[in-house]
Amino acid sequence: SQQGEEDPQALSIQEGENATMNCSYKTSINNLQWYRQNSGRGLVHLILIRSNEREKHSGRLRVTLDTSKKSSSLLITASRAADTASYFCATDGDDYKLSFGAGTTVTVRA
Amino acid sequence: KAGVTQTPRYLIKTRGQQVTLSCSPISGHRSVSWYQQTPGQGLQFLFEYFSETQRNKGNFPGRFSGRQFSNSRSEMNVSTLELGDSALYLCASSPGTGGESREKLFFGSGTQLSVL
Repeated sequence: SQQGEEDPQALSIQEGENATMNCSYKTSINNLQWYRQNSGRGLVHLILIRSNEREKHSGRLRVTLDTSKKSSSLLITASRAADTASYFCATDGDDYKLSFGAGTTVTVRA
Repeated sequence: KAGVTQTPRYLIKTRGQQVTLSCSPISGHRSVSWYQQTPGQGLQFLFEYFSETQRNKGNFPGRFSGRQFSNSRSEMNVSTLELGDSALYLCASSPGTGGESREKLFFGSGTQLSVL
């Protein structure tokens, strides 16, 4: 079963715009991670945020975490065609078994 | 460094058969995890191996098994295949020693298994 739920399920934006997606989860976590998956391929790790952190940046990515609301958001700024992919949040409850959400499919139009 | 390598890329089997999938982790990585991805259930954790021992296990039936060799390469076996086993099977590796070295996973491209 999936621990996280992502919102929206799909997102279509113009190149250069920002993309924001949200993830909600149910149980307490040790950390939350975001991964990207290009069509039918493996997942690529984007960023990890720990339960005692509120915000983290990596290049054009910004992740926030609100443990009181059990939610996280991923912001991709100045999107590019290469950002077209599915994005998954994954929670780790300190047992090293990642629980993935259903994913948000992002399409960046040229 | 070469990435995580999974073979074969595609497999077609029939119900009742068994299948073995292979995963070679990044050089130096000792942990290998397996995940099943389906449109209906999403990504689900199968098991993790570290230094030839199963360290963690998900909620899958005993038909799903795995092993790890001394060179950290891992195989996953599914016996008595069912239609519902059709999925993308992803392998991920990490150094595996603890903290972020175990938390952050490097995934292979997967093996797409179709059961007819």
